Amino acid sequence: DQQVKQNSPSLSVQEGRISILNCDYTNSMFDYFLWYKKYPAEGPTFLISISSIKDKNEDGRFTVFLNKSAKHLSLHIVPSQPGDSAVYFCAASAQANFGNEKLTFGTGTRLTIIP
Amino acid sequence: EAQVTQNPRYLITVTGKKLTVTCSQNMNHEYMSWYRQDPGLGLRQIYYSMNVEVTDKGDVPEGYKVSRKEKRNFPLILESPSPNQTSLYFCASSLYPGNSYEQYFGPGTRLTVT
Repeated sequence: DQQVKQNSPSLSVQEGRISILNCDYTNSMFDYFLWYKKYPAEGPTFLISISSIKDKNEDGRFTVFLNKSAKHLSLHIVPSQPGDSAVYFCAASAQANFGNEKLTFGTGTRLTIIP
Repeated sequence: EAQVTQNPRYLITVTGKKLTVTCSQNMNHEYMSWYRQDPGLGLRQIYYSMNVEVTDKGDVPEGYKVSRKEKRNFPLILESPSPNQTSLYFCASSLYPGNSYEQYFGPGTRLTVT
């Protein structure tokens, strides 16, 4: 039972354009969402997060949008740069897991930025 | 440099031969965790530890053991590895349990069990 779903395994975007990565979740207890970025042969690194009390969080070129009613979040990268080429994982956590910061991960989307 | 280190990075072994994957962090983090990454399944939690001598099972603990005798180290032990434990393993840590959700990940250990 995949509670966090990233339905697009891959995405190609022209350099300078907007990249939009999508994530859907099924567990209504999730109240904190994160995006991690992963380069080959490296561990995931934290990119940006959003609490369920917000619907948008912005950090430089990266913006995460949360639509709680649709159980959907998206990551916008604008403008996209070649260094953004990586696998992006969506992850979610529930306050009920207080004390265990278990992250439930999606399966990842491979983003390729075309120069 | 603040980091999580894992050793070995690559390991090929045979069924039943006990092995240990080490994990160490130099950030004085209280919380540590092990994940495995498999195609089509994302990352799944194996075990976690909220502090020294405090460990508990995650979603897929079968076939694994852990220990937390020191704050900085959190080794993953496979007493009798089987081919279904072939996977990419990540150790992660964060400053406080229940507080910081930003986990820092090690570089990964690719394990193959034949």
